[in-house]
Amino acid sequence: KAGVTQTPRYLIKTRGQQVTLSCSPISGHRSVSWYQQTPGQGLQFLFEYFSETQRNKGNFPGRFSGRQFSNSRSEMNVSTLELGDSALYLCASSLAGSNQPQHFGDGTRLSIL
Amino acid sequence: GENVEQHPSTLSVQEGDSAVIKCTYSDSASNYFPWYKQELGKRPQLIIDIRSNVGEKKDQRIAVTLNKTAKHFSLHITETQPEDSAVYFCAASNAGNMLTFGGGTRLMVKP
Repeated sequence: KAGVTQTPRYLIKTRGQQVTLSCSPISGHRSVSWYQQTPGQGLQFLFEYFSETQRNKGNFPGRFSGRQFSNSRSEMNVSTLELGDSALYLCASSLAGSNQPQHFGDGTRLSIL
Repeated sequence: GENVEQHPSTLSVQEGDSAVIKCTYSDSASNYFPWYKQELGKRPQLIIDIRSNVGEKKDQRIAVTLNKTAKHFSLHITETQPEDSAVYFCAASNAGNMLTFGGGTRLMVKP
């Protein structure tokens, strides 16, 4: 069974631009969660999508948004990029239901110049 | 919201020794506690998890214990090997799939 696939693996953007990251979950997984990983703040929850609806949201500004499609694939978008948005963005998928084991993708490394 | 603290931040052991990493959480409603291992440049990998209705769980050289009263849980690795060297993260969740992570422990196993 294929794992969680994230594209692209690397991105370089400049301040003020916007970016869209993609995540394809493990087949059969309907929940997709997004996390930001930085050396200073560690791993922080962004949001979770299930059945095309945002089910949970972390403490991030409205510049961070996401969506989920009917095939469970998910995208996250960051608008008006800031230097502090430089991070590894990780996607994790899990089966339906609460507190299911989450399996991570390799992440997208976003660098803001 | 939930807050998870993890100790120590770095841990160095000799090959064959045991390693213990401890986490405390703040939300008494948390009921799911996974542990992840992240090697340099790789994805976090789920290595073991425990739910609040269980006090201990083992998987070969790895075990996790949970004390709900004290709101802490621990990862135990026995007979450590060099390939156990990585950063380990604990996490807690009380509902949905929103994980709150600890700050991580860098484990170094010296041959």
